[in-house]
Amino acid sequence: DAGVTQSPTHLIKTRGQQVTLRCSPKSGHDTVSWYQQALGQGPQFIFQYYEEEERQRGNFPDRFSGHQYPNYSSELNVNALLLGDSALYLCASSLPGGGSGNTIYFGEGSWLTVV
Amino acid sequence: GQQLNQSPQSMFIQEGEDVSMNCTSSSIFNTWLWYKQDPGEGPVLLIALYKAGELTSNGRLTAQFGITRKDSFLNISASIPSDVGIYFCAGQLTPYGGSQGNLIFGKGTKLSVKP
Repeated sequence: DAGVTQSPTHLIKTRGQQVTLRCSPKSGHDTVSWYQQALGQGPQFIFQYYEEEERQRGNFPDRFSGHQYPNYSSELNVNALLLGDSALYLCASSLPGGGSGNTIYFGEGSWLTVV
Repeated sequence: GQQLNQSPQSMFIQEGEDVSMNCTSSSIFNTWLWYKQDPGEGPVLLIALYKAGELTSNGRLTAQFGITRKDSFLNISASIPSDVGIYFCAGQLTPYGGSQGNLIFGKGTKLSVKP
C-alpha cells in the first residue's frame, strides 16, 4: 500500500521563477492538504483540496495556488518565487471529516531552495 | 502564521530516562496529535487524541488531551537512542463542510542524545 508520495524531492529555483510540486495521496484517500515548513519551524497550513476544489486556505498569498485531479492527486504551484519561499513543502492526505480513526498521513516532502 | 506553544524547545536525553513535553494553545481544539519528524523526512503520526481528558498510550509513549481542550502532553518512558528526533504537537480545528480540519503545529521539541 503506497503512502503519500511527492515529487520532486529536491529542487533549486531562481527568484521570480515559478515552481510546481506534485503529490499522490495514500490509496483510498481523497483529501489533500499542503503545508510549508521553514527551517526550525513547525509546518504551516497552505490549503486543502477535496472533490477538486480548494476547501480551506491558510494565510498564504495568491502566489500559492493548487489543483486536484479526478484521481485525487494534487499540485502546488508557486509563482514569482521569493527567497523566503525556501522551505520543505509537505503534502498530507486523509479521508474527509475528522474524528477517531481518520488519520492524516504526510509525505516526505519536497525541499525547495530559492536562490 | 498561528503556532502552538510547545516546550521545551530542546532537550538532551540519556538512554533509560523518561522524557516529558507539552503543548498549550489559546484556542480550543477537538483533536490533538503528536508527530515525530526525522531529518529529511515528513512527520509520522505517533498518537491521536479525540476527547478531552483522554489518556492514550502507544508502546513507551503516553499522551493526554487536556480537560480544557487547550493543552496536551507527551511522555516517553525509558528513552532509547532511536527516540532522537523532533516531536511536534498539532491541534486540529473542527471540520466543517464535509472536509478535514487543518492542523496547527507547535515549533517542535528537539530530542538529542546527552554527550
